[in-house]
Amino acid sequence: AQTVTQSQPEMSVQEAETVTLSCTYDTSESNYYLFWYKQPPSRQMILVIRQEAYKQQNATENRFSVNFQKAAKSFSLKISDSQLGDTAMYFCAFMKGYSGAGSYQLTFGKGTKLSVIP
Amino acid sequence: NAGVTQTPKFQVLKTGQSMTLQCAQDMNHEYMSWYRQDPGMGLRLIHYSVGAGITDQGEVPNGYNVSRSTTEDFPLRLLSAAPSQTSVYFCASGLAGGRGETQYFGPGTRLLVL
Repeated sequence: AQTVTQSQPEMSVQEAETVTLSCTYDTSESNYYLFWYKQPPSRQMILVIRQEAYKQQNATENRFSVNFQKAAKSFSLKISDSQLGDTAMYFCAFMKGYSGAGSYQLTFGKGTKLSVIP
Repeated sequence: NAGVTQTPKFQVLKTGQSMTLQCAQDMNHEYMSWYRQDPGMGLRLIHYSVGAGITDQGEVPNGYNVSRSTTEDFPLRLLSAAPSQTSVYFCASGLAGGRGETQYFGPGTRLLVL
């Protein structure tokens, strides 16, 4: 079974500054995918970024980037130029990378509550 | 496309009552699933389906039933509600290609069991 750990229950950052959210995972799988989801106060789950484990290059999406360290099983999210709209819960998630029983399921961490301070 | 829709948005039940949470998607996704979200616990998988007529249990299935008669719909049934089932419930759907396809979430249903 996979586990995902987010060790920072809450964080805060000044507007326009940079913040990094931590995520570690444990798995015996060799092929998998990692995700960061954002949940603003509206409760809607929004995909922020996706990383394929077989790719060494770190994924980026505008102000969001990841630091993927496969050997260390670490997958941190960096938010640059933080904006008030980034205030949300952020969830790290794991998915196996093959078709078949037990696939497609997302295993989530417990989340990090990020507050962006004006 | 409406995406993933869930009804109702909020529901209050008394202990022992039954109800069905509705979920529908219009993206022709094979995979659909139900999660519950509790404070400090993240999202935990209740049940999932990889196609019409195929369902399986997730991490926390007790007290819930599902069926999938069509590709579009995946209702979640609470047979006899308990206070421990007070939670926010999310339905999600995605393609089942085994390549980390994006899963799309509904807006959630908040359930309060008294």
